[in-house]
Amino acid sequence: EPEVTQTPSHQVTQMGQEVILRCVPISNHLYFYWYRQILGQKVEFLVSFYNNEISEKSEIFDDQFSVERPDGSNFTLKIRSTKLEDSAMYFCASAPGPRETQYFGPGTRLLVL
Amino acid sequence: GIQVEQSPPDLILQEGANSTLRCNFSDSVNNLQWFHQNPWGQLINLFYIPSGTKQNGRLSATTVATERYSLLYISSSQTTDSGVYFCAVERDFNKFYFGSGTKLNVKP
Repeated sequence: EPEVTQTPSHQVTQMGQEVILRCVPISNHLYFYWYRQILGQKVEFLVSFYNNEISEKSEIFDDQFSVERPDGSNFTLKIRSTKLEDSAMYFCASAPGPRETQYFGPGTRLLVL
Repeated sequence: GIQVEQSPPDLILQEGANSTLRCNFSDSVNNLQWFHQNPWGQLINLFYIPSGTKQNGRLSATTVATERYSLLYISSSQTTDSGVYFCAVERDFNKFYFGSGTKLNVKP
């Protein structure tokens, strides 16, 4: 069964450094999402992406964040200058269409020191 | 943004018991989904249910959009049902709001 994959599974970085989190969505899906989950808290929406542009973004998704689909398969989330409070699990999800079931990747655990 | 409240926040069940989880939301929505996050952190979609009732094995869900709530029923619970159950709603197109979850612990 096709699945969403994410790399790396864990990343440790120093405050102020740039990180890129990578996702490979399910191949025939057209809608892509990033979420984050601070340890022990609820899942928070960051951004949705369709047709090579941002569809919607949350208040969390400020100028430090960017997303890109650099080729036909990868979907990346870049955090330009990480802060301590960016430490969280970051999930990527994809869906075949709008208002359809989203399939989540296993997540990348980011720790900012 | 829209407020999403889930209850109860924690639930302990004996294996074989039934339970009902509730999700209330503060405004009309276009989409509602239920997810299970297993103890290893994996998020799995259970239902896409903007309205009506759906069943999948021992799980079923009902959304009453006009009254702004959804219910997730778990029957004959098993230890593998343990984890956190989230509901997520979409009001604005492609923008999602999650509830705080119900943490379920099913004891053998």
